[in-house]
Amino acid sequence: DAGVTQSPTHLIKTRGQHVTLRCSPISGHKSVSWYQQVLGQGPQFIFQYYEKEERGRGNFPDRFSARQFPNYSSELNVNALLLGDSALYLCASSLGRENVGNTIYFGEGSWLTVV
Amino acid sequence: AQTVTQSQPEMSVQEAETVTLSCTYDTSESNYYLFWYKQPPSRQMILVIRQEAYKQQNATENRFSVNFQKAAKSFSLKISDSQLGDTAMYFCAFTYNNNDMRFGAGTRLTVKP
Repeated sequence: DAGVTQSPTHLIKTRGQHVTLRCSPISGHKSVSWYQQVLGQGPQFIFQYYEKEERGRGNFPDRFSARQFPNYSSELNVNALLLGDSALYLCASSLGRENVGNTIYFGEGSWLTVV
Repeated sequence: AQTVTQSQPEMSVQEAETVTLSCTYDTSESNYYLFWYKQPPSRQMILVIRQEAYKQQNATENRFSVNFQKAAKSFSLKISDSQLGDTAMYFCAFTYNNNDMRFGAGTRLTVKP
């Protein structure tokens, strides 16, 4: 079975631009979460989506938004990019919100560099 | 607030020896889940081991085991018979609601031949 897949793997954007990152969860998984990992730090929670609804949001500005589609794939959008948005963006999937403690599986991430 | 602290930024161990990585956490929840993830240079987060807080028995996965001390809010990872492929960043993580997972800052482990 395919794991969590993310695209693109690497991208470079200019300050002020917009970026869209994509994620496909493991088949059968209904919950998708997004994390930002700045170099040298642990991942920080951005969003969780379950059944196409936002179920949790971390301490990130409104420039960050996301959505989940009927097939449970997800997009993370970041507007008005800042240099500080440069990071590895990780997508993670799990069976579902009600299954607390179910293992969360991560994709390989999307490396975003803002110049 | 839910926080996870890893106090060892870097550690090294000789191949075939044993190493223990430390992790402490803070929470007011009574039921929660703890994880150790490995992140090699490829950057993919790989689950090493998980522990359910209501289970007193320490989790074990082959060469990896944990020492879970609930009262002390401590969750250390022991790697036995260390292998070169164990070289990676190791993150301790915590969740109680599946809405979000809190990670520590990580410990960089180097296994030396």
